[in-house]
Amino acid sequence: AQSVSQHNHHVILSEAASLELGCNYSYGGTVNLFWYVQYPGQHLQLLLKYFSGDPLVKGIKGFEAEFIKSKFSFNLRKPSVQWSDTAEYFCAVKSGGADGLTFGKGTHLIIQP
Amino acid sequence: AAGVIQSPRHLIKEKRETATLKCYPIPRHDTVYWYQQGPGQDPQFLISFYEKMQSDKGSIPDRFSAQQFSDYHSELNMSSLELGDSALYFCASSLGRGRSNEQFFGPGTRLTVL
Repeated sequence: AQSVSQHNHHVILSEAASLELGCNYSYGGTVNLFWYVQYPGQHLQLLLKYFSGDPLVKGIKGFEAEFIKSKFSFNLRKPSVQWSDTAEYFCAVKSGGADGLTFGKGTHLIIQP
Repeated sequence: AAGVIQSPRHLIKEKRETATLKCYPIPRHDTVYWYQQGPGQDPQFLISFYEKMQSDKGSIPDRFSAQQFSDYHSELNMSSLELGDSALYFCASSLGRGRSNEQFFGPGTRLTVL
């Protein structure tokens, strides 16, 4: 079974700091990759997705992610975070014939003013 | 834009009771997915339906069942509820069920079992 690993469970940054959240997956075949954000008390919202093509994808709110196939990684980045970025971030993978997304354990990001 | 609608938003049940959660997908979406997110956990895929037929099954307990109706809404039926069933239950919908079909999530139903 495929798995998704997020390296950091809790991250605390100051406003304007740069952000990088790691994500690795285990599936060796063709995958679709996603980053979702969950603000406190709210539902999952899609930040960005990778299906094919340019491995550097840009999403909403200034986020971007890079797919590195050789490393099975899909790290999320943002050059300058804001207090409003405080949330839970989930990396997810969809592969093979499976319908469901496989999520990582999530990273709780806290941005201090 | 219309989003995925889930009802109820909050539900409190006693152990061994039954519960029914409802999901109304985005108009024209034909695929529905159910996920369970325990406290502090990542969402776990339970089951999905495409064109009213079960299309994939994840870690759904035998005590749970689900179906998709002719209007594409879906219901998750949960029986013999246990304390461990307390969680946030998300429904998502997509247009088609291919790998590249984006899933749009609803706000969730928070189930508390006492």
